[in-house]
Amino acid sequence: DTEVTQTPKHLVMGMTNKKSLKCEQHMGHRAMYWYKQKAKKPPELMFVYSYEKLSINESVPSRFSPECPNSSLLNLHLHALQPEDSALYLCASSRLGQNNEQFFGPGTRLTVL
Amino acid sequence: GQQVMQIPQYQHVQEGEDFTTYCNSSTTLSNIQWYKQRPGGHPVFLIQLVKSGEVKKQKRLTFQFGEAKKNSSLHITATQTTDVGTYFCKGGSNYKLTFGKGTLLTVNP
Repeated sequence: DTEVTQTPKHLVMGMTNKKSLKCEQHMGHRAMYWYKQKAKKPPELMFVYSYEKLSINESVPSRFSPECPNSSLLNLHLHALQPEDSALYLCASSRLGQNNEQFFGPGTRLTVL
Repeated sequence: GQQVMQIPQYQHVQEGEDFTTYCNSSTTLSNIQWYKQRPGGHPVFLIQLVKSGEVKKQKRLTFQFGEAKKNSSLHITATQTTDVGTYFCKGGSNYKLTFGKGTLLTVNP
């Protein structure tokens, strides 16, 4: 199974809402990533987990809170977001190290009203 | 952090024409990866180059890594409408790779 799944596909939320994005992979990868992608831009790295531990936080605002409950799951908890946070949120996984091929999920398209 | 510059930003071709996108860095790259993202889709890994001067082929796609490991190119021979999408390079050090800005390829049938 070489698939990364993400739920939901689309999410619309208000600035006072709390929501979570979910990502799952069953390839045995020990590195998992969250990216944010705005239209016509490249993906921007947000967080990296290695062996279920947060290893990189690219100075992401605290309204984004990642969580890695186990080696197959990655969550992104959202709270008090701003309209400019509207974007495609991509999850990816790889064998350890960013040097390795990354497998991306289909993404969650988030709209913040 | 280390950046990779990618050109052109956009390329429109007639079906059957060739296409090339280039990535350049001011510093030596440990490796470079190429991804393709179809419109409305997600990035899909195409290939990774590691060795100086490396050339790899996948059917109509040819990938090159420069001798100095500071530049790379992706060349598509005889484009087809299925080649439409944004092609990203991703390069950097062993610890951190960053995406280039991408080249959006459109193909007129």
